[in-house]
Amino acid sequence: GIQVEQSPPDLILQEGANSTLRCNFSDSVNNLQWFHQNPWGQLINLFYIPSGTKQNGRLSATTVATERYSLLYISSSQTPDSGVYFCAVWEGGADGLTFGKGTHLIIQP
Amino acid sequence: ETGVTQTPRHLVMGMTNKKSLKCEQHLGHNAMYWYKQSAKKPLELMFVYNFKEQTENNSVPSRFSPECPNSSHLFLHLHTLQPEDSALYLCASGDSFGGNTIYFGEGSWLTVV
Repeated sequence: GIQVEQSPPDLILQEGANSTLRCNFSDSVNNLQWFHQNPWGQLINLFYIPSGTKQNGRLSATTVATERYSLLYISSSQTPDSGVYFCAVWEGGADGLTFGKGTHLIIQP
Repeated sequence: ETGVTQTPRHLVMGMTNKKSLKCEQHLGHNAMYWYKQSAKKPLELMFVYNFKEQTENNSVPSRFSPECPNSSHLFLHLHTLQPEDSALYLCASGDSFGGNTIYFGEGSWLTVV
């Protein structure tokens, strides 16, 4: 099956800093999503982005499908941004999303 | 509020108990999923239902039994579980074949004692 690798696995930043999270995948995909998992376990949709660039406030994402990677940018980090960020992809067919192992982000005041 | 509701949020059960997790979606989707999240592991897909029909079973032990009575409801029946089955169980819904955003419920934290 498809492989999804996220980097870095852990990231500690001060409030106000910017960060870039990366997701590499091993095959063509029909669907790519970024999620933020809060401390209570809830997975919050950030972006549905199989290709191209999208922005939502301080967050933006870019997927270069031909090169099989996606980037999530967080600008001016705030403490509520802390949590685990997951990239998940879908190859097609009847299967579900395949998740990477996530990037654990800690924003310190 | 994502439009996907899971109950109960927390469950503690003994190894000989029988319990069920429930998921309901109000988004008009025709696909529903169960995922398992254990400590220090990626989310693992367990079951997929498209138009109420099971289309994927990722080698899940038979002590986990899914049921999808209609496109809006999904259950996970649990019996004779093991302590290593303790995990966060997440339900999700979306359009069939992954053509759009998939939404997750808040999850059910399961502890097997």
